[in-house]
Amino acid sequence: SAVISQKPSRDICQRGTSLTIQCQVDSQVTMMFWYRQQPGQSLTLIATANQGSEATYESGFVIDKFPISRPNLTFSTLTVSNMSPEDSSIYLCSARLAGGVEQYFGPGTRLTVT
Amino acid sequence: DQQVKQNSPSLSVQEGRISILNCDYTNSMFDYFLWYKKYPAEGPTFLISISSIKDKNEDGRFTVFLNKSAKHLSLHIVPSQPGDSAVYFCAASDGNWGKLQFGAGTQVVVTP
Repeated sequence: SAVISQKPSRDICQRGTSLTIQCQVDSQVTMMFWYRQQPGQSLTLIATANQGSEATYESGFVIDKFPISRPNLTFSTLTVSNMSPEDSSIYLCSARLAGGVEQYFGPGTRLTVT
Repeated sequence: DQQVKQNSPSLSVQEGRISILNCDYTNSMFDYFLWYKKYPAEGPTFLISISSIKDKNEDGRFTVFLNKSAKHLSLHIVPSQPGDSAVYFCAASDGNWGKLQFGAGTQVVVTP
């Protein structure tokens, strides 16, 4: 398995500002992902974080709004840009080990936009 | 379009009894199915998975059953314990770069 940490664990931000969330994995993983869980809803995949190249975004998510970096095999960041109250969610990082299908999740970042 | 569905938003079960959680899917290309448990303020924790070439997988108190013809899977927890109270998510992968699609979740409450 993999142990994943995220920072910050929670934040309250003002409309129009940006927040960068960090994700650190304790082992080298093949794939890292970013999800959003809006209140009362399921997990929705935002993008796959690719090492050394641009992230692959799912339908409905764009790089300008959610820029993602992955400079090495164990670290990734997600920025939520120009925030609005609709961005209030839990943002989760996950990772998949080589040869496995299961993903391991971080504890999440609870974001509230006022 | 929701391809993984959990139609029961909640389930209440007595301690010691069996919990049965259900999940339906529509995409016949899914080849791996997983169950996750989530406590409040924590990330989902992987519980158990099953490949589409199998119809049953067991791990301790947890057993997952897959019925491919019905596009249905279920998670059985026997016996249920108070610590099992959590939200359970069903997820599926079609081998597409490891991406998972999640159901809406089922809140399980185990009562003494």
